[in-house]
Amino acid sequence: SAVISQKPSRDICQRGTSLTIQCQVDSQVTMMFWYRQQPGQSLTLIATANQGSEATYESGFVIDKFPISRPNLTFSTLTVSNMSPEDSSIYLCSVLRQGEPGYTFGSGTRLTVV
Amino acid sequence: GDSVTQMEGPVTLSEEAFLTINCTYTATGYPSLFWYVQYPGEGLQLLLKATKADDKGSNKGFEATYRKETTSFHLEKGSVQVSDSAVYFCALSDLRGGGYQKVTFGTGTKLQVIP
Repeated sequence: SAVISQKPSRDICQRGTSLTIQCQVDSQVTMMFWYRQQPGQSLTLIATANQGSEATYESGFVIDKFPISRPNLTFSTLTVSNMSPEDSSIYLCSVLRQGEPGYTFGSGTRLTVV
Repeated sequence: GDSVTQMEGPVTLSEEAFLTINCTYTATGYPSLFWYVQYPGEGLQLLLKATKADDKGSNKGFEATYRKETTSFHLEKGSVQVSDSAVYFCALSDLRGGGYQKVTFGTGTKLQVIP
């Protein structure tokens, strides 16, 4: 499986600020995704990060709030903009390599907004 | 659309007890099925998977069989250990438009094993 490095692992941020989360994979992957896991909840897909083009967002998520970049096949960033306490969650990067039916997940970024 | 239903937790067991976590699914196609595990403070790890009916996925003493007739993928382990304490997620993936696979997760079941 791919090895994912996700940074930062945790952060405490002031409301109204923004945080950028980085996801680095050790090999080229077909697909990269960003998930949110709110406290005590399951995972919700935020968007698919597309190389060299705009991300594809799921219902309820918008680019202005969660801008995503993917400049190449091994790296992506997710920014959580204008944060509020409701954004306190774990954010997870996930990748899919061609031929593999399951996702590999990063260790997550635990975000607390105060 | 696709959905996954798994038993609510928390589940508390004594060490060496038998574990079953129920999972049923609804899908329009022929999905692959997965169990992921999330240890405290960590991300998700793929525990096991099955890609077609009657397949049995297994890993670390855990097993699950893809039952198409009952649309189920129950997770079992014969003798749990304290180190198995974690949250377990049942999931499925199916092809969507564009050829890639969206993964649908269940709500997770927290397992606590006590010595």
